Amino acid sequence: KQEVTQIPAALSVPEGENLVLNCSFTDSAIYNLQWFRQDPGKGLTSLLLIQSSQREQTSGRLNASLDKSSGRSTLYIAASQPGDSATYLCAVRGEYGNKLVFGAGTILRVKS
Amino acid sequence: GAGVSQTPSNKVTEKGKYVELRCDPISGHTALYWYRQSLGQGPEFLIYFQGTGAADDSGLPNDRFFAVRPEGSVSTLKIQRTERGDSAVYLCASSFPSGGPNTGELFFGEGSRLTVL
Repeated sequence: KQEVTQIPAALSVPEGENLVLNCSFTDSAIYNLQWFRQDPGKGLTSLLLIQSSQREQTSGRLNASLDKSSGRSTLYIAASQPGDSATYLCAVRGEYGNKLVFGAGTILRVKS
Repeated sequence: GAGVSQTPSNKVTEKGKYVELRCDPISGHTALYWYRQSLGQGPEFLIYFQGTGAADDSGLPNDRFFAVRPEGSVSTLKIQRTERGDSAVYLCASSFPSGGPNTGELFFGEGSRLTVL
């Protein structure tokens, strides 16, 4: 059974810092991995999707990497801003299924 | 529509009542998912539809939960004899089926917050 763990559970940083959020998964037989952002009381917004054959994806100040063999992904946020404050969720899809398995998320607070 | 639409956004009901939650996916998305999210947790898979059929309902917690998608578009999640433990945010997501040029990226709605008193 796939299990996804996100570390740290919460993170508070001053504005302008670069930061890394970590995601690990127990079963490396994945189809893809998706990072989401969730604001309080809202749904999930897709940030980046990495296929199992890819090593990284970039969108603006965000960069996500994938090391499938070691079961790890990182989300790098450059030059953090107060507007980046949210919960960040990592989810993986298995090779032979269609459902995403989510981690519990990292709550990020960027202080101005 | 432009995004996944879920109604109602909030539902308060009494223990033992019947509840229906509706999801209208992105136009053209044949895959539809229901998830449940409790406070401080990541979303938990409930059921997946490909077209009209439930391809995977392994996440439904018990037989009080049922979902339909009769015409392959709008889906309804039905909860019978609600219990306080059913209180959560119910999220719907849709996607093109993965494969070929489609990445299988999921797009979520804003969710329906269910509170059972």
